Amino acid sequence: GIQVEQSPPDLILQEGANSTLRCNFSDSVNNLQWFHQNPWGQLINLFYIPSGTKQNGRLSATTVATERYSLLYISSSQTTDSGVYFCAISRGNQFYFGTGTSLTVIP
Amino acid sequence: SAVISQKPSRDICQRGTSLTIQCQVDSQVTMMFWYRQQPGQSLTLIATANQGSEATYESGFVIDKFPISRPNLTFSTLTVSNMSPEDSSIYLCSVRGMDYGYTFGSGTRLTVV
Repeated sequence: GIQVEQSPPDLILQEGANSTLRCNFSDSVNNLQWFHQNPWGQLINLFYIPSGTKQNGRLSATTVATERYSLLYISSSQTTDSGVYFCAISRGNQFYFGTGTSLTVIP
Repeated sequence: SAVISQKPSRDICQRGTSLTIQCQVDSQVTMMFWYRQQPGQSLTLIATANQGSEATYESGFVIDKFPISRPNLTFSTLTVSNMSPEDSSIYLCSVRGMDYGYTFGSGTRLTVV
């Protein structure tokens, strides 16, 4: 199967700071998504981004499919941004989750 | 994107018992997916459920332990059978859309004691 690696595995930020999360994948993909899993376990779809750049408020994402990576930018972080961020890639009917980045934003 | 209602949201169960998790989608979908997330881990696909046929299980998961029903295009259930503490996990259902990728239910947090 396709390998999906995320970095860093853990991140602690002061409220208001910016951060960049990275997702590397080992083969060509049809699609890539970024999710935020909140402390209650709910998985929220942030971006559906097979290529290019998208922005939604304080969050933006860029996927460079030819170089097999994607970046998630979080600006002016807030405590509600805490949780685990997953990237996931699809190829055919298979959907592979990354290893996750655990983010803690402290006041 | 599709909206998925999943229940129960959490449960605490005795070992040796079974729990059935339900997912209702607000639109018709061909395939539904069931995932398990063990504590501190990423998500692992259990099986893919197609309407009108048996579910397709991933390596390491068997029908006797995780029977799945898919009676129509908007509904599916996953049963966790003969539970042990090792089954304590978050279980999530998912569907895939043409324009929005995968959407997940709110998850079922299962604790087996």
